[in-house]
Amino acid sequence: EAGVVQSPRYKIIEKKQPVAFWCNPISGHNTLYWYLQNLGQGPELLIRYENEEAVDDSQLPKDRFSAERLKGVDSTLKIQPAELGDSAVYLCASSSPGQGEAFFGQGTRLTVV
Amino acid sequence: QQQVKQSPQSLIVQKGGISIINCAYENTAFDYFPWYQQFPGKGPALLIAIRPDVSEKKEGRFTISFNKSAKQFSLHIMDSQPGDSATYFCAASLYSTLTFGKGTMLLVSP
Repeated sequence: EAGVVQSPRYKIIEKKQPVAFWCNPISGHNTLYWYLQNLGQGPELLIRYENEEAVDDSQLPKDRFSAERLKGVDSTLKIQPAELGDSAVYLCASSSPGQGEAFFGQGTRLTVV
Repeated sequence: QQQVKQSPQSLIVQKGGISIINCAYENTAFDYFPWYQQFPGKGPALLIAIRPDVSEKKEGRFTISFNKSAKQFSLHIMDSQPGDSATYFCAASLYSTLTFGKGTMLLVSP
């Protein structure tokens, strides 16, 4: 069974430029998460989807961050414009309905210069 | 407010020894407590997990001890191996959303 797939693995952009990350969850997993992981820290939730509905986006900085999960499968996280402080690893995870186990992708390491 | 506090920040254990990592939580509504292992450049991988109606869970060399009244849980790694060297995160789940501790960097010396 394929795991959570994220792309790209690495991205370097100049500040004020836009950037987008893509995630394909494990087949059959209705719940999809985007987490932010700063260096030396634990992951922090940005947004959680149940199917195509964003059920928890309270920690998403909506002035510059947006996300979508069309058709309840793949998801895209966008930052526009990026700031230096956005440099971090962006992790996508998925889980089955009612199950606590979340499975993570390898993440996208973003560097804003 | 940090809802899940993890200690120590780093840990050095000799090969064959026992590694112990502790976590404490605030919210009694948390209903699921997993531990994740993360190697450099990789995403966190689920290691072992426990629900609050159980006081202990063992899988191979990994054991979770859970103390509901004290709102604490810990990970024990028996017979620690150099391959266990990684960062370990405890987490607590509420409505399927995980809150993570800050992590413990474990180094197992040969």
